[in-house]
Amino acid sequence: DTEVTQTPKHLVMGMTNKKSLKCEQHMGHRAMYWYKQKAKKPPELMFVYSYEKLSINESVPSRFSPECPNSSLLNLHLHALQPEDSALYLCASSQDPSGGAVEQFFGPGTRLTVL
Amino acid sequence: QKEVEQNSGPLSVPEGAIASLNCTYSDRVSQSFFWYRQYSGKSPELIMSIYSNGDKEDGRFTAQLNKASQYVSLLIRDSQPSDSATYLCMGTSYGKLTFGQGTILTVHP
Repeated sequence: DTEVTQTPKHLVMGMTNKKSLKCEQHMGHRAMYWYKQKAKKPPELMFVYSYEKLSINESVPSRFSPECPNSSLLNLHLHALQPEDSALYLCASSQDPSGGAVEQFFGPGTRLTVL
Repeated sequence: QKEVEQNSGPLSVPEGAIASLNCTYSDRVSQSFFWYRQYSGKSPELIMSIYSNGDKEDGRFTAQLNKASQYVSLLIRDSQPSDSATYLCMGTSYGKLTFGQGTILTVHP
């Protein structure tokens, strides 16, 4: 299985809601990533988990809270978001925990709209 | 200077032509590079990786890495309308993967 899955595909939420994005991979990869992508821009790295531990947090606001329950799952908990947080949220995984030389594989993304 | 820079395009080529996409990088970027293709509204899809100086070919795609000149390129031969997409160059910097801004390619019939 060479796939990264993400749920939901689309999410619309109000600024007072709490929601979660989910990501799963069964490739035995030990590094997992969250990216945010705005229209016509490249993906921006948010978080990196290496061996289920948070290794990189790119100064992301605390209204985004990542969680890695096990080596196959990655969640992103959302609370009190702003309309400018509307974007495509991408999950990726790779073999190399240092996030270095090994390719990353992306899931299909969750299209988030904050009203 | 951005760590990974792409000629932003957009690039338009006729069907059957060779499309050439280029990326330059700073000294701080380690020399593992990846090319991703992203269709509108979809996620990035890995199409080529290159780790050593020289050329690497896979079907209609050839990646080229020139360490002396600090650039990496992607050639698409016999371009097809289905190749129309945004192409993202990605390199590693201090253990983090860094994207270029992307090049929009349009292949017209």
